[in-house]
Amino acid sequence: EVQLVESGGGLVQPGGSLKVSCAASGFTFSGSAMHWVRQASGKGLEWVGRIRSKGNSYATAYGASVKGRFTISRDDSKNTAYLQMNSLKAEDTAMYYCTRHHPTDDVFDIWGQGTMVTVSS
Amino acid sequence: SYEVTQPPSVSVSPGQTASITCSGDKLGDKYACWYQQKPGQSPVVVIYQNTRRPSGIPERFSGSNSGNTATLTISGTQAMDEADYYCQAWDTSTVVFGGGTRLTVL
Repeated sequence: EVQLVESGGGLVQPGGSLKVSCAASGFTFSGSAMHWVRQASGKGLEWVGRIRSKGNSYATAYGASVKGRFTISRDDSKNTAYLQMNSLKAEDTAMYYCTRHHPTDDVFDIWGQGTMVTVSS
Repeated sequence: SYEVTQPPSVSVSPGQTASITCSGDKLGDKYACWYQQKPGQSPVVVIYQNTRRPSGIPERFSGSNSGNTATLTISGTQAMDEADYYCQAWDTSTVVFGGGTRLTVL
């Protein structure tokens, strides 16, 4: 079965750090760029960032609101992508989704169920 | 930074045609996608590369993209189509989402 499963969300204090994971199965993970998208409660989708495949030098890019604080990585041997979040702020509170960028078509064709991150004291 | 704009809400009667627009500078020069999101669920792509429909998506969903506007059209709208719809475009190395449109079928 093709799926993405996020994990690792939770409650963290402002200024703290958290690392969430995205485990892939059912497709060739190593050949796919992986993105993170977040959604605050009652709000729209916001692109967080992406990591490309080994063939594209694992290149990363980030949205303006998280650049310099968040880092995306991947372990192709474990079919897993990661989102390391540092210097967290209350406004980072959201559901975090990982999603696959289809290797040949410009589309996010597979989405996980999301993991909730709450930044609060 | 690049931005795309959607109307916050659109209403349609069952069986009628709903059109949701997405506006951005020279958006027609880029690929646009549309995602449907129902409450408590993850987004699902309904249109990609402006006009292509994934397998499993009903034929009543169609898309276009020209000039500064991409449009998602739902013909013969059904109650099950009530959801939030997001347009998404690719801009050099980044991705941009519209603010979303709440489609109400009444």
